[in-house]
Amino acid sequence: GQQVMQIPQYQHVQEGEDFTTYCNSSTTLSNIQWYKQRPGGHPVFLIQLVKSGEVKKQKRLTFQFGEAKKNSSLHITATQTTDVGTYFCAAWKNEKLTFGTGTRLTIIP
Amino acid sequence: DVKVTQSSRYLVKRTGEKVFLECVQDMDHENMFWYRQDPGLGLRLIYFSYDVKMKEKGDIPEGYSVSREKKERFSLILESASTNQTSMYLCASTPTGRQNIQYFGAGTRLSVL
Repeated sequence: GQQVMQIPQYQHVQEGEDFTTYCNSSTTLSNIQWYKQRPGGHPVFLIQLVKSGEVKKQKRLTFQFGEAKKNSSLHITATQTTDVGTYFCAAWKNEKLTFGTGTRLTIIP
Repeated sequence: DVKVTQSSRYLVKRTGEKVFLECVQDMDHENMFWYRQDPGLGLRLIYFSYDVKMKEKGDIPEGYSVSREKKERFSLILESASTNQTSMYLCASTPTGRQNIQYFGAGTRLSVL
């Protein structure tokens, strides 16, 4: 079945530093979604990327979809304590949404 | 706002008990999903449903069943709970159009003793 690998599993950064999480698939993806789960909360949709090479920004967050549509990344510039949580990528295939294993971000004040 | 409501936030059950986890959404979504979330494994799909009375197995259906008698309600059933089913269970719904955003409930943390 489709697998979506995500690295790193954990990331600890000083407040103000940048953060990046990467998502890789063995197969070409039709689209990719990103979700954020705050500690104790549930996943909340952030964005969807569809086009090859697409780049989208939401304030300090930059999302990229690879040219081959097999990988994606989420980059946060100048992290803040509100960025704490687990970030998941997810991809639709065969009517199912497959999630990556997630990257848990902790911020050191 | 879309609301997906899971009946219990925390549940403690004994091995062998039959367990029902209920999920209700208020946005007339056709598509509903059940996941379990475990550390290091992300979210894994148990079952999903695209219509009333309809169900499809996900990636890890063993030990679970589901029921969708009404469009707004999707129930996950553990016929005979086991300790390896201790987990966080998340329900989600998606609007028509299939490859769409998933809206999640708050989750049910189930402990099987």
